[in-house]
Amino acid sequence: DTGVSQDPRHKITKRGQNVTFRCDPISEHNRLYWYRQTLGQGPEFLTYFQNEAQLEKSRLLSDRFSAERPKGSFSTLEIQRTEQGDSAMYLCASSLTNSPLHFGNGTRLTVT
Amino acid sequence: RKEVEQDPGPFNVPEGATVAFNCTYSNSASQSFFWYRQDCRKEPKLLMSVYSSGNEDGRFTAQLNRASQYISLLIRDSKLSDSATYLCVGDYDKVIFGPGTSLSVIP
Repeated sequence: DTGVSQDPRHKITKRGQNVTFRCDPISEHNRLYWYRQTLGQGPEFLTYFQNEAQLEKSRLLSDRFSAERPKGSFSTLEIQRTEQGDSAMYLCASSLTNSPLHFGNGTRLTVT
Repeated sequence: RKEVEQDPGPFNVPEGATVAFNCTYSNSASQSFFWYRQDCRKEPKLLMSVYSSGNEDGRFTAQLNRASQYISLLIRDSKLSDSATYLCVGDYDKVIFGPGTSLSVIP
């Protein structure tokens, strides 16, 4: 399988816990994006990387969110001290520069 | 002004109808644009790329108007299977999506 893969597919956690999601992009893609999506809304930009460099992070993102792409390959998104409002689908996508994005299946987070 | 704006709809059209969606963008530096299709509870998938003035693929036509900073998507002879949310996006680095336009094709 050469598509974008995300793990886990579903995560249920209690408020206040930390969670970490992983994204493995298409291997030759230099760009990697994280989005958050809630029902009825378009994907909301969180952050993106070009190779290992995090080039931009949404101002909507609080300090509880952090993302890494240490070797320019896979990426992790961590949410600390989760809140109920963090419940959403977290989508990862990868691409070559100025080319269309390829999305993973997403990680659905439920904070109880 | 939001970076990308779309009419969220929903658009409810009968089978066989022609329907058009518009998307406006604020960043005049954007060079290429894309339309994605998203089915309920699925990830977005690329529908069409719009690299210059327009692009046509079967029943689907996408056009770009740089002067007015909008792109459009035209669907002819709508099928039930076209029911989905259609997302537009400009390609400047952050790749910001619009809110999506919901289409329901009715028998």
